[in-house]
Amino acid sequence: DGGITQSPKYLFRKEGQNVTLSCEQNLNHDAMYWYRQDPGQGLRLIYYSQIVNDFQKGDIAEGYSVSREKKESFPLTVTSAQKNPTAFYLCASSMGSRFEQYFGPGTRLTVT
Amino acid sequence: GENVEQHPSTLSVQEGDSAVIKCTYSDSASNYFPWYKQELGKGPQLIIDIRSNVGEKKDQRIAVTLNKTAKHFSLHITETQPEDSAVYFCAASMHGGSQGNLIFGKGTKLSVKP
Repeated sequence: DGGITQSPKYLFRKEGQNVTLSCEQNLNHDAMYWYRQDPGQGLRLIYYSQIVNDFQKGDIAEGYSVSREKKESFPLTVTSAQKNPTAFYLCASSMGSRFEQYFGPGTRLTVT
Repeated sequence: GENVEQHPSTLSVQEGDSAVIKCTYSDSASNYFPWYKQELGKGPQLIIDIRSNVGEKKDQRIAVTLNKTAKHFSLHITETQPEDSAVYFCAASMHGGSQGNLIFGKGTKLSVKP
């Protein structure tokens, strides 16, 4: 059963704590992406990676960090420097920059 | 950079009617335009896409049209059904570039009344 998995579905953290969101894909896709979605807004790109051990900042990278040590995994860390971390986080993958992006089910992060 | 505007923000139709959602983009270099459907609490699902070398594409009840000169593209859903109710997002991208990143519109909440 191929696809993109994100865990957990819901995540709660106290302000000032770092938290890592998981994203795994078994589609053998080279490229992976992290987006943030706020109510009534479109998706905004946080980070993307076109290949293992390489990643680039998107439009709203401040307060976030990523790693890409394995082709199938692209975890996102929301650091305490992120001013408004509460949001719905979506991971996506594609065969490469010329191909369609497919999304995971998302993780809803609430920071209080 | 690219900017994508999407209208309307909400759309209510009767079951069986057609629904049209429109998007405009700013960067003439964009050449790939996907549409996503997002149900409540779920990730977006790709429903149809179009590339700039094509003016129209159809898949059963859904179609997308592209006007490169005017820089706008539209999603058409015919014979709407209650299960079409969701938020629809358009996006634009320059496929083949170093990024391939999608720039999204803010979404249209479609409600289909039985």
